[in-house]
This record gives sequence, C-alpha cells and structure tokens, in this order.
Amino acid sequence: QQQVKQSPQSLIVQKGGISIINCAYENTAFDYFPWYQQFPGKGPALLIAIRPDVSEKKEGRFTISFNKSAKQFSLHIMDSQPGDSATYFCAASGTTGANNLFFGTGTRLTVIP
Amino acid sequence: GAGVSQTPSNKVTEKGKYVELRCDPISGHTALYWYRQSLGQGPEFLIYFQGTGAADDSGLPNDRFFAVRPEGSVSTLKIQRTERGDSAVYLCASSLSSGTKETQYFGPGTRLLVL
Repeated sequence: QQQVKQSPQSLIVQKGGISIINCAYENTAFDYFPWYQQFPGKGPALLIAIRPDVSEKKEGRFTISFNKSAKQFSLHIMDSQPGDSATYFCAASGTTGANNLFFGTGTRLTVIP
Repeated sequence: GAGVSQTPSNKVTEKGKYVELRCDPISGHTALYWYRQSLGQGPEFLIYFQGTGAADDSGLPNDRFFAVRPEGSVSTLKIQRTERGDSAVYLCASSLSSGTKETQYFGPGTRLLVL
C-alpha cells in the first residue's frame, strides 16, 4: 500500500502565487520527511527536509509545515516562478532497520507567467 | 564535484533478454540505493547497499532482479528474462553514509524499455 499519500496530482499557479502540496502518512516510525523536485529527464533533487521535532522549516521561498498529530506535512512555495514548474515528491523514511525513502505519487506543478 | 552517474541513459531491449544497468555513486559515499520509477509515479525502493553488502533487498520484485556492488563503489543492477512490465526509469542514489539523516543524491536514471 502507498505509505505516503500526496495531493493534488497536478497544480497550476499564476506567477507570484503560492503553491501548496500536501502529504499524509500512517507509519509513526517515520522521522525524516524530505521534498524532492524533479525536472523532465532528470533524477529527483532534494529541495528541503524536516524532522518531526519541529513544526515548520523555511528555506528561501520554500516552507515545510509539519503536523505530527495529524501525520501530515505540506510544502509551500511562495512567490512561485515559472522556473519552479516541475514535479514535486514528498517522501518519508525512518522505519526500523530501513533507510530507504517512501515517496508520494508526485505533484506536477505548472507556474503560468 | 561529479554527481551520481548512470549508464546507459536509455536501454531498449526485447522481452526475455538480459540487461545490466550501471551506477557510479558520488566518490566517498558508502550507501547506495536503487529505485524504480514508473511513468507518473514516485520512485519505489528496490535495494540498498552499505559498502559491498546488500543491507536491504526487500524491494526487489522477484528473483529476476539482482544487484551487486563488489568493491563498495560502482553498482550494477541486473535484470534477467526481462518482461514488458519492467519498463521504467531505474534510478540510483547515494549518500555519504547510511541513516535517515543523510541526503540521498539521485542520478539521472536509466530509461529501460522492454519491447
């Protein structure tokens, strides 16, 4: 079953707007939640990551909000730019004995100029 | 410095054939991961190496899939008797060491098409 659920599947935002992507998980053993950005024909690249001991992490225009009790986390892209158009994946890891990442299904973001 | 590299970038093969996909991790990275990404999906874990040994191969779909990392650097993913359902992008990632604190750096992937 899908360990990390992601929505929406696709998102269209005007330049300068805020893009919001949401993820939810069930496994309480997860303790690391990265977001990856992927451009066509490229591998995923780490954008920003958070641990469950903080509720928010901000790096430039990118912010992760984390709600441990609800087992949800989200990515906010402020002042969205056409260059942000890509597919975004949330992920989680930390289950006992495993180091692999469990990815969401991805959100295809299009920022319209 | 150089990132993770994967060869070939594209591979077309016929059903039933054997293929090898190569991954060169970032120099000095001890942990290496293989993932498979189907069209429109997120990457799915296949196997993880810490050094030369496969620490976790629970994601390999069946015994047609096998991976090695004999010297703790380059890794090869081997697929026997390929099937059309094996068509996907095979991604390799490496990290400085194992553990959830370590960032996984991905290569560009090998696009495998089984006809």
